[in-house]
Amino acid sequence: SQTIHQWPATLVQPVGSPLSLECTVEGTSNPNLYWYRQAAGRGLQLLFYSVGIGQISSEVPQNLSASRPQDRQFILSSKKLLLSDSGFYLCAFAQGSYEQYFGPGTRLTVT
Amino acid sequence: GQNIDQPTEMTATEGAIVQINCTYQTSGFNGLFWYQQHAGEAPTFLSYNVLDGLEEKGRFSSFLSRSKGYSYLLLKELQMKDSASYLCAVKGNTPLVFGKGTRLSVIA
Repeated sequence: SQTIHQWPATLVQPVGSPLSLECTVEGTSNPNLYWYRQAAGRGLQLLFYSVGIGQISSEVPQNLSASRPQDRQFILSSKKLLLSDSGFYLCAFAQGSYEQYFGPGTRLTVT
Repeated sequence: GQNIDQPTEMTATEGAIVQINCTYQTSGFNGLFWYQQHAGEAPTFLSYNVLDGLEEKGRFSSFLSRSKGYSYLLLKELQMKDSASYLCAVKGNTPLVFGKGTRLSVIA
């Protein structure tokens, strides 16, 4: 069966510190991968998506970046966090144009 | 561009039926999705419509009218555990775009 993992579950980081969130998928190959952010009381904002290794599309210009070093691994990074980066970060995968399945999420608080 | 509208909040009584509406404008259309999201948790997939009509899945049904840019999610025999946010999402010529969600409160 297909599963998606994210870690860590929660994270508290000071302003200006770096960030690395990891997402891995099992039980499928060549999935489309997505990073979303959900700020408190707001909708899901698509940050990045990838249709293959090394292929990253950015939806919103910001101080975040993403990488896909392996087929089933998707990493979200930042060199210097801002207060506005706080939120609930969700990784998702999909096979082609079908429904997306979400990981458990990482709740990031920037202090 | 793409725009998705759904009510911000709804309240319904346990055992009742509730309909959550979603209207959308999109460039191209490749499907409409409904997700359920409990507070503090990730969204979970509920339903997918790509053709006009009603899709039924247990207590949940979803309807689509492509010509009207309209969908609804129907929840029957409401239970307290149905209290959650319900997200409408549309896939056009771009990756899936989500609405802001409808927060449903089920009361006794």
